[in-house]
Formats: sequence, C-alpha cells, structure tokens
Amino acid sequence: QVQLQESGPGLVKPSETLSLTCTVSGGSISSYYWSCIRQPPGKGLEWIGYIYYSGSTNYNPSLKSRVTMSVDTSKNQFSLKLRSVTAADTAIYYCARGPVITMIDNWGQGTLVTVSS
Amino acid sequence: QSVLTQPPSVSGAPGQRVTISCTGSSSNIGAGYDVHWYQHLPGTAPKLLIYGNNNRPSGVPDRFSGSKSGTSASLAITGLQAEDAADYYCQSYDSSLSGYVVFGGGTKLTVL
Repeated sequence: QVQLQESGPGLVKPSETLSLTCTVSGGSISSYYWSCIRQPPGKGLEWIGYIYYSGSTNYNPSLKSRVTMSVDTSKNQFSLKLRSVTAADTAIYYCARGPVITMIDNWGQGTLVTVSS
Repeated sequence: QSVLTQPPSVSGAPGQRVTISCTGSSSNIGAGYDVHWYQHLPGTAPKLLIYGNNNRPSGVPDRFSGSKSGTSASLAITGLQAEDAADYYCQSYDSSLSGYVVFGGGTKLTVL
C-alpha cells in the first residue's frame, strides 16, 4: 500500500515562499499523477496542481501565477513551491496520488502550514 | 466559492438513508467527466469512497453508492451508522481554461 508523507516548515512569513515536499513510499512514483491539495481552516478542499512523473504539470488557474511543482524520481519525491504567500494561504496541505488526471485515489495525512509574521 | 455545489450539512438517524447531492455544470459533470466521492474525518487523510460515479474501492461497504445524471451526482448512504459521521466531498474535472480538478464545498454528515 503506497503511503504519502508531507514535510515542510509549519510557519511561513507573509510574502515568502511556502515549500512542501511529498515523499512516496511503498510504491513507485512512476506512471501516476501527483497532486497537492489544501484545506483552509473551516473551508473545503482546493486542488493546487499536479505533476506527472515525467515532469509535465497543470495548476489551478487561481494559483497558477504563484505555483511551481517539481518531481525527483530518484528520491521518489515531488515538491510544491507557492510564492508570495499571505494569511489566506494558511491551510492543511495534502499530497495525493491519481492514476489518471481526473481522479485521486490516495492521500497523505496532511500538514498544517501557517502564514504569519 | 466551489465549482461543485454540495449542501453544507445533512443528518439522519441510525439505520436511515441519506443522500448528498453534488451539482456542477456543462464544463465538468455535464461534460461527461466522472464524479468521485471522499470521506474525510478531521485530522486524517481523506478516503476514496466512490470512484467513476458508482464504483466502490475494495473495503468500502455496499451501504455507500453513487449515481450521476446530467450535471449532477449523488452519494447515498443506507443503514446509517455512527461511524459514518464525517465530511463528504465530491470531485470531478473541469474542462474550462486548461482543465483542472474541482471539488465540492463538502457536506458534514451528522448521525443523530
């Protein structure tokens, strides 16, 4: 059973860059779509973007100008960078896997990232 | 404002049947994209409950079922149990712009 583990700083200052690393264990990162999804406090889920193991990406139009995702197949990891963060970016950030672009079948436990000075 | 619309909350007594609706548009559900459903308990990883409109992953009880028609989809839970209390999210894909994954706003199920 594949497992995803998020890691990164729990606190980021406004205007700085949020960095999240997702480590995949129990399976290969190949042949899947890897997504980042977030949930602000008291709100619903928001898809941030995905990266295919080959490196192709697609991002949520509302966040596209601030997001970059990358993949390191040698480490079975993928990463998220979200630039110029504000308090509105405070959320639980999840890493997730999808067998196809349109579906997610496996999630990490999530990590809380707070944007505050 | 979520692209897919769900009721904020539903409730039912143990043993009863509840349904959760998910309304989209012609660029997502109405365009033929599959709808998937997730069960989420706060503090845990969301769990895939229904995929491809009406398919259950291994291990999901047959009390859970999904359907889709036109621009909407529904999740039905029969024989409600206390452990079903959770947040439920629908998810699909939207073909507008460059295409992107969309979620409903989530529905909180309370078991009375």
